[in-house]
Amino acid sequence: DGGITQSPKYLFRKEGQNVTLSCEQNLNHDAMYWYRQDPGQGLRLIYYSQIVNDFQKGDIAEGYSVSREKKESFPLTVTSAQKNPTAFYLCASSALGTYGYTFGSGTRLTVV
Amino acid sequence: AQSVTQPDIHITVSEGASLELRCNYSYGATPYLFWYVQSPGQGLQLLLKYFSGDTLVQGIKGFEAEFKRSQSSFNLRKPSVHWSDAAEYFCAVVQGAQKLVFGQGTRLTINP
Repeated sequence: DGGITQSPKYLFRKEGQNVTLSCEQNLNHDAMYWYRQDPGQGLRLIYYSQIVNDFQKGDIAEGYSVSREKKESFPLTVTSAQKNPTAFYLCASSALGTYGYTFGSGTRLTVV
Repeated sequence: AQSVTQPDIHITVSEGASLELRCNYSYGATPYLFWYVQSPGQGLQLLLKYFSGDTLVQGIKGFEAEFKRSQSSFNLRKPSVHWSDAAEYFCAVVQGAQKLVFGQGTRLTINP
């Protein structure tokens, strides 16, 4: 079955360390997105990519980086510059022009 | 910029009762609107969407939503809720090219 896979489901890191969250899709979608979810704040867009080797900052890109070397993959790195990285991170994808996002099951990152 | 507001952070209803979750949008032209549902610790699932045409939209799991331009609203309804409907619900609007902006979410609790 087609879908989006996020790994790992839970991630613990020490403060000051960079960490990379994986997102892979086999839906042949062109566009991919990373959202951050905090209680009571909904989902906030971190980065998005509409085509391989190209991506744009969202509303809260500071302290994060991404790459899009393959259509299927859109990893997110949470850097030590991110002031408050503990959150639930969601990856999504869509076919261009459809707006029908498919979401992964998320990664909960805890920085201690 | 386009935005959505969900005025109710938390709603509690009894099983079998009717449900209405509110969503107000801010956008000049005809917006593309969505409702998503999220179970705890999971990704988001699309319930329904409105692009144009009939203002009453039917979705999955027995949900429907009505687009009212005069009130800038897109409220989600269900005639009779089930315990399995307990979840968090998000309203969203398309902003720019291929981006979704989400409301803060409404957490639904079902009393037996």
